[in-house]
Amino acid sequence: DGGITQSPKYLFRKEGQNVTLSCEQNLNHDAMYWYRQDPGQGLRLIYYSQIVNDFQKGDIAEGYSVSREKKESFPLTVTSAQKNPTAFYLCASSILGQGRGAYEQYFGPGTRLTVT
Amino acid sequence: SQQGEEDPQALSIQEGENATMNCSYKTSINNLQWYRQNSGRGLVHLILIRSNEREKHSGRLRVTLDTSKKSSSLLITASRAADTASYFCATDANSGGSNYKLTFGKGTLLTVNP
Repeated sequence: DGGITQSPKYLFRKEGQNVTLSCEQNLNHDAMYWYRQDPGQGLRLIYYSQIVNDFQKGDIAEGYSVSREKKESFPLTVTSAQKNPTAFYLCASSILGQGRGAYEQYFGPGTRLTVT
Repeated sequence: SQQGEEDPQALSIQEGENATMNCSYKTSINNLQWYRQNSGRGLVHLILIRSNEREKHSGRLRVTLDTSKKSSSLLITASRAADTASYFCATDANSGGSNYKLTFGKGTLLTVNP
């Protein structure tokens, strides 16, 4: 059963605490991504990675950190520096194109984070 | 930065009718993709159209791409209540080494009434 898993589905934290969201894929994809989605909005890219031990900042990386120690795993830490952390977080993966642009991305079910 | 913008923001139709959603983007692309998202779920890929293609079909879906106008449309024919979802277009950037990234629009919320 191949795919992307994210856990937990719902997460509640107090303000000032760091929290780590899990993302695992068994699709053997090289590239992985983290997005944030706010109500009624599209997806905004937080971080992305195309290879183990390497990752790049997306459009809204401030207050977030990631690691890519294994090809299958790309955890996201929401730090206390993130001013507005309550949101729906989506992880995705894809193969890397051979100079023909982006391939389709496979998404996990998401984690809804609420910080109070 | 928002590359794709969908129009309309919301669309409500009756079952059996066709639904058309549009997407405009700003910069040159390699390809454009459409995704679907049911409420509270992850996105599901629907169709990818390359910059050298003008039209593509998949089941009840028809996608067109006009690179001269930097726009795309998604047509869902004979809609069903189960098509109720948000639909997003996503584009890559035809420049640089990170052209595997996607930029998503804000989406069109489609409601199909039984």
